[in-house]
Amino acid sequence: EVQLLESGGGLVQPGGSLRLSCAASGFTFSSYAMSWVRQAPGKGLEWVSAISASGGSTYYADSVKGRFTISRDNSKNTLYLQMDSLGGEDTAEYYCAKLTNGGAVAGYFDYWGQGTLVTASS
Amino acid sequence: SYELTQPPSVSVSPGQTAIITCSGDKLGDKYVCWFQQKPGQSPVLVIYQDTKRPSGIPERFSGSNSGNTATLTISGTQTMDEADYYCQAWDSRNVVFGGGTKLTVL
Repeated sequence: EVQLLESGGGLVQPGGSLRLSCAASGFTFSSYAMSWVRQAPGKGLEWVSAISASGGSTYYADSVKGRFTISRDNSKNTLYLQMDSLGGEDTAEYYCAKLTNGGAVAGYFDYWGQGTLVTASS
Repeated sequence: SYELTQPPSVSVSPGQTAIITCSGDKLGDKYVCWFQQKPGQSPVLVIYQDTKRPSGIPERFSGSNSGNTATLTISGTQTMDEADYYCQAWDSRNVVFGGGTKLTVL
């Protein structure tokens, strides 16, 4: 059974940093691209970032480019999102999602984690 | 940047057919997915590659995509189908979601 378990969310002051993790199990993690998607309270889904299976290719939404860094450790079956210079607009539930292909472009999200809440507020 | 437009809300009576649209420039040239999200839960894939249903998704869910519009159709809608629905496509190297449609079954 595929499982994706996010952690690392919490309250952070504006301008601060946070690192999210997503522990994967139930599939060959190193064969699939992964992504982060967020959802602000009461709002819709917003794509954040994606990374290829090898980690060699990364992609970001314009809203986070230069502030967030996606990475993965295939030996630990874990996906990460380093978030710097956080602002109120980054307050959201952050989901990790598995893509169906190895490249980070195209494919579809077939499994999602339960999410971890990030709140940027003073 | 590429945009996908959905109606904010759709209402349907139980047993009737619900139709949710998703519009975007030349959307028919792209693959579209649909996700269902119930309150407090993570999104669930209900349609991928325009028309395909993942294992475990009821046959009453179907999809189509042509021209500038993709459509999610729920035939014989049940009260359990009440949820938010999001369309999604790739534009170049970016993922784009529609704004979401709240489906009310009453």
